This record gives sequence, structure tokens and C-alpha cells, in this order.
Amino acid sequence: DAGITQSPRYKITETGRQVTLMCHQTWSHSYMFWYRQDLGHGLRLIYYSAAADITDKGEVPDGYVVSRSKTENFPLTLESATRSQTSVYFCASSERGHPFGAFFGQGTRLTVV
Amino acid sequence: QQQVKQSPQSLIVQKGGISIINCAYENTAFDYFPWYQQFPGKGPALLIAIRPDVSEKKEGRFTISFNKSAKQFSLHIMDSQPGDSATYFCAAFTEDSNYQLIWGAGTKLIIKP
Repeated sequence: DAGITQSPRYKITETGRQVTLMCHQTWSHSYMFWYRQDLGHGLRLIYYSAAADITDKGEVPDGYVVSRSKTENFPLTLESATRSQTSVYFCASSERGHPFGAFFGQGTRLTVV
Repeated sequence: QQQVKQSPQSLIVQKGGISIINCAYENTAFDYFPWYQQFPGKGPALLIAIRPDVSEKKEGRFTISFNKSAKQFSLHIMDSQPGDSATYFCAAFTEDSNYQLIWGAGTKLIIKP
């Protein structure tokens, strides 16, 4: 199916564990983004990528790692999960780089206990 | 200076009425102001956007009004329908912001039948 898909949709993990959120897009968009959404904060950019093997930090990168070995995949890893990382995570992709034109996935609800 | 302040937090409007959501910003370097619509369990979707050289933009029942001197912009939903019930986010962007969209905190809109 064409589009952008995130997995898993829901995840519960323990403090200190490593967890990876997956994002896959079928459009071959150059740009991909990871956001977190917390009540009262709107969305905040964690990392973005302009192309395969090119990534850069957003507003709130601490505690997260990304990689982009293939254009279509942009996984987000929490190296040692903390309770403050409990959030809904959205992946997005954009053809031209302007984030406002990006298509968003359905989100991953992550709970760190 | 990077903030976008959105109000109200929540809004209840009767079917057929006009829904109005307001946003204010400080950074005069912003040059693109999108609005997003988000339904529960879904990612945000671009609804309508405006540049600061335009005072108003209309798409169907959705209108953005922009007041550059006051550094304010607003979303008007005419003839509001129950299907419009969603959370709405305003945002701001500048080419100098390293791909960072600055998001408002969101407005939860409920349209009563």
C-alpha cells in the first residue's frame, strides 16, 4: 500500500530499555521527519533527514538516535528509555523538504513504565 | 520569540455556526503559516496555509485571516459540521529555521449536532 506507515502502533517498555520505532514510506520522498506530540506542546521535531545517510537534529534530540540507510526507512531509537519519553511519536515525509507539506504516519503511542 | 500561541484550548460550536481559532507569533521572520487538522488516532494533515503577503485565503468552508501588523492569524470554519470535530493546530515556518515548524498547542473543536 502506498503511503507512510509506522510500527508498532502501541508500545509499552520499561525504563532503561532500548526501543526502536519504525517508519516506512513508499513515495521515495527525500525528506523524513520524526516528531513527538505531548499534550499542550503541539508537535516537536526530534530529528529530520534530507536524504539517505544525511540526518540532523531538531528541537528535542536528546536521548534519541536515528539512521537512514535507505530512502524509504527512517527508524527512531530510544537508547535508554525514560518516563519523560512517554509520548505519541509521528513520522512524516516530504518531497520538497518543506515540513509543512509533509505527510504524516498514524503515530506510535509509546509508554515508558 | 519562537513561540506560536494558540487559543482557545477547546471550542464547542453548534452545527452550522462559525468556528474561530486564533494564533499569535513574535518572530517576524516567519514566512509561512499552515493550519493542520488532526483526528483522533491519526497524524496531522495539512488543511490550508498562507504567506504573510496575503491577508486572507479561502478554501471551501475554511478561511485563514492574516494580520501582519498585529502578528496574528486565525482560522475560520464556516457552516461548521460534526465531521469538522478534530484538533486544529496552527504553525509557523521560516526558511532559516532548519526545517523546524513551530507549532501551536492545538485547539480541540467539537461541533454539536
